[in-house]
Amino acid sequence: GIQVEQSPPDLILQEGANSTLRCNFSDSVNNLQWFHQNPWGQLINLFYIPSGTKQNGRLSATTVATERYSLLYISSSQTTDSGVYFCAVEVSGNTPLVFGKGTRLSVIA
Amino acid sequence: GAVVSQHPSWVICKSGTSVKIECRSLDFQATTMFWYRQFPKQSLMLMATSNEGSKATYEQGVEKDKFLINHASLTLSTLTVTSAHPEDSSFYICSARDPGGGNEQYFGPGTRLTVT
Repeated sequence: GIQVEQSPPDLILQEGANSTLRCNFSDSVNNLQWFHQNPWGQLINLFYIPSGTKQNGRLSATTVATERYSLLYISSSQTTDSGVYFCAVEVSGNTPLVFGKGTRLSVIA
Repeated sequence: GAVVSQHPSWVICKSGTSVKIECRSLDFQATTMFWYRQFPKQSLMLMATSNEGSKATYEQGVEKDKFLINHASLTLSTLTVTSAHPEDSSFYICSARDPGGGNEQYFGPGTRLTVT
């Protein structure tokens, strides 16, 4: 099956710093989503981005489908950004998402 | 975005008993829902695909007789953990796709199961 690799696995940032999280996938995908899992376990949808670039406030994401990777940018990080960021892909329509192992982000004041 | 709910949020049960977890799509209909399991500090692992009106499809290594899935309506799927054991303690999360929202999938808040 498809492989999804995220890097780095762990990241510690000073508040106000910027960061880039990467997601590589091994095959063509129909769907790619980025999530933030909060301390209570809830997965928050950040981006649905099978291709192209999107921005939402301090967050933006870019997926280059032809090169099989996606990037999540976090600017001016805040302590509330802490948590685990997951990339997940779907190979074809109406199939389950396959998750990467996540990037655990800690933002310190 | 679309809303998916789960009930209960957490449950503690004794070894050997059964526990039912509900997953509901609140503002859309979902012919397909997915059940995942997450152990501490690990990623989400797919357990099964729940199809409305038909049998669920289980991933390799997931016991279908232990994890019973019923998708009785377009807004409700249930996961029953039968004869639970301590090793079944985990965080169970469901997801569904809003057909009116393209291919984006939405997740419930999860159910934390502890088997004593």
